[in-house]
Amino acid sequence: DIQMTQSPSSLSASVGDSVTITCRTSQSISNNLNWYQHKQGKAPNVLIYAASNLQSGVPSRFSGSGSGTVFVLTITGLQPEDFATYYCQQSDSAPYTFGQGTKLEI
Amino acid sequence: QVQLQESGPGLVKPSETLSLTCSVSGGSISGYYWIWIRQPPGKGLEYIGYSFYTGSTNYNPSLRSRVTLLVDSSKSQFSLKLISVTAADTAVYFCARGVASGPSWHLDLWGRGTLVTVSS
Repeated sequence: DIQMTQSPSSLSASVGDSVTITCRTSQSISNNLNWYQHKQGKAPNVLIYAASNLQSGVPSRFSGSGSGTVFVLTITGLQPEDFATYYCQQSDSAPYTFGQGTKLEI
Repeated sequence: QVQLQESGPGLVKPSETLSLTCSVSGGSISGYYWIWIRQPPGKGLEYIGYSFYTGSTNYNPSLRSRVTLLVDSSKSQFSLKLISVTAADTAVYFCARGVASGPSWHLDLWGRGTLVTVSS
C-alpha cells in the first residue's frame, strides 16, 4: 500500500492568514493526488484533483501543487468557512489511501 | 442536483452482517465509480472499495475476504455488505462517486456518512 504522511495534524490560524498543508507519499504517484475538505456532520467536498486542478465551484484561494511524492495545499486569505479538516488522497494505485487529516482551527 | 444518501442499521451485533445502501438521486449510475469509505472514531479515512457501473469491483485487501459491493442501476442504488463484523468495524461509513479526471480519478460527490456501531 502507498503510505500517506500529511502534516501538520492540526493548525491554528486567523481569518486572512495563508496556510499550507503538505502530503508526502511513500512512492511516486505522478500527479494522482486529490484534496478534500470535511466539516463535521457534512459530506466532504473535493477541492483540488490531479494535484493542481481546482474543482468547479471551489474558491480560487485554494490551490494545489506538487508531483511525485510531495504535494502541497495552500489556502490564501483564510475565510471563516475554511475552518475544517483537510485530507489528501492518492488515486494512483489501489488501495486508494488517505492522509490522516489536518484540522484547521481558529 | 445529484445527491447521495446512505441508509441502513446504526447498530449491528458482533459476528453479524453490516448492510448499507447508498441512494443516488438526481443523476445516473452509469459512467461512474461508486465507492465506500469509512472512518473509525478518532481515526482517518479508510478506502473500502469501489463498484463500477458495469459491475466490476475493487476491494481493499484488508477487507476483501469480508466485503461485497454491488450496483443496482434499476434502483439507482449501490450497496455494501460486510460479514463477520467486530468492534473494529465501528465507523462512520461514507458512500461517494468517483469520476475520471484524465488518466486519474477523484471523488466529486459524497454522502454525509452514517454511523454504524458494532455492539451486543
